[in-house]
Amino acid sequence: SYELTQPPSVSLSPGQTARITCSGDALPKQYAYWYQQKPGQAPVLVIYKDTERPSGIPERFSGSRSGTTVTLTISGVQAEDEADYYCQSADSSATSVVFGGGTKLTVL
Amino acid sequence: QVQLVQSGSELKKPGASVKVSCKASGYTLTSYGMIWVRQAPGQGLEWMGWINTNSGNPTYAQGFRGRFVFSLDTSVSTAYLQISSLKAEDTAVYYCARKMAVAGHNWFDPWGQGTLVTVSS
Repeated sequence: SYELTQPPSVSLSPGQTARITCSGDALPKQYAYWYQQKPGQAPVLVIYKDTERPSGIPERFSGSRSGTTVTLTISGVQAEDEADYYCQSADSSATSVVFGGGTKLTVL
Repeated sequence: QVQLVQSGSELKKPGASVKVSCKASGYTLTSYGMIWVRQAPGQGLEWMGWINTNSGNPTYAQGFRGRFVFSLDTSVSTAYLQISSLKAEDTAVYYCARKMAVAGHNWFDPWGQGTLVTVSS
């Protein structure tokens, strides 16, 4: 079955730039989406269609793609950004939704 | 505002059934599909499938065919997830989310707050 691969964890200090990657063979054909999940809370959409930011999401969140990898960038990370981040996409035929394994962002 | 409110936590014995509800407000239920996602303790998000809220037709992901049933009651703007013959490994938080779809591309927003189902003897 199709898989999206994310690094298990990313750690950095406040003010630094976080880059969380997500790799998958079908990504050149399918959009990617990103969700933030804080402990004990439901996921929240932070990026859709690779680069679009929903209303209410801070401008420091951005998305990009290059080949089979998409990247969520958080510029000037803040303590409140500490959370798990999941990418989501579809297989090449768009018949199956898939989530990446998640990346735990720790702000030291 | 657009909101999905799920039913409360459930504690069930193995072999029992459970029905989780997801009530939509702030929009018309039948205008968007509804998805279900499982999150086992300490684990990631797992796609269970979705229900077409116009036709009532469900689509189940592999691994969720047989004991899992998606249904609707459009008169009360509510989607349901029923799980039968519960097993310990069904212990998880179950989320519903509104399915946004444009030209075959799908994303999910907003999400319900989640319902914890615990299966234990």
